[in-house]
Amino acid sequence: GAGVSQSPSNKVTEKGKDVELRCDPISGHTALYWYRQSLGQGLEFLIYFQGNSAPDKSGLPSDRFSAERTGGSVSTLTIQRTQQEDSAVYLCASSLMRTGGTGELFFGEGSRLTVL
Amino acid sequence: QQQVKQSPQSLIVQKGGISIINCAYENTAFDYFPWYQQFPGKGPALLIAIRPDVSEKKEGRFTISFNKSAKQFSLHIMDSQPGDSATYFCAASTSGSARQLTFGSGTQLTVLP
Repeated sequence: GAGVSQSPSNKVTEKGKDVELRCDPISGHTALYWYRQSLGQGLEFLIYFQGNSAPDKSGLPSDRFSAERTGGSVSTLTIQRTQQEDSAVYLCASSLMRTGGTGELFFGEGSRLTVL
Repeated sequence: QQQVKQSPQSLIVQKGGISIINCAYENTAFDYFPWYQQFPGKGPALLIAIRPDVSEKKEGRFTISFNKSAKQFSLHIMDSQPGDSATYFCAASTSGSARQLTFGSGTQLTVLP
């Protein structure tokens, strides 16, 4: 498809387990973002990748969270030793960064994580 | 200083009415103010955006009003329709090599038929 693709769409896991969430951005988009959306809450920035630059990890809530982006395309968000407070929808977005441009974010439909 | 405050949290409007959602910010370096629309089960999508060099931008039934001195901006939806029922997020960012949007907390809009 032409949009941002995320998998799995739903993930139920037990407390303490590790989970991996995948994002396949729009082809050619150099910037990739992960956000977290808790029930009834806004969008919490987690991490940002831009080209070959070092990622901005300033939004990661703890060292249990990590993300990588391979080959400048697909990204994986990993949550280790999941906790119940990690339950949320994890949204991935990509954008085509242009000098002076708006950098519109295109979001995927999210991965809903439930930690029991 | 990075926070964007959005109100109201929820809004119910009759079909044909005007929906107004407000946002306020503190960081004077912000120079890009988009609004995103999110339907249930979907990711947010860009609706309309404004830069601070203009006070108003209109696209169809959607208008952004921007007050630079008050550090406030708002979304107006004219002739609201049931299909407009969604969650709306305001956001703000600064120009630069890394454009990270700071989002408001969202407004759940319900337009009654």
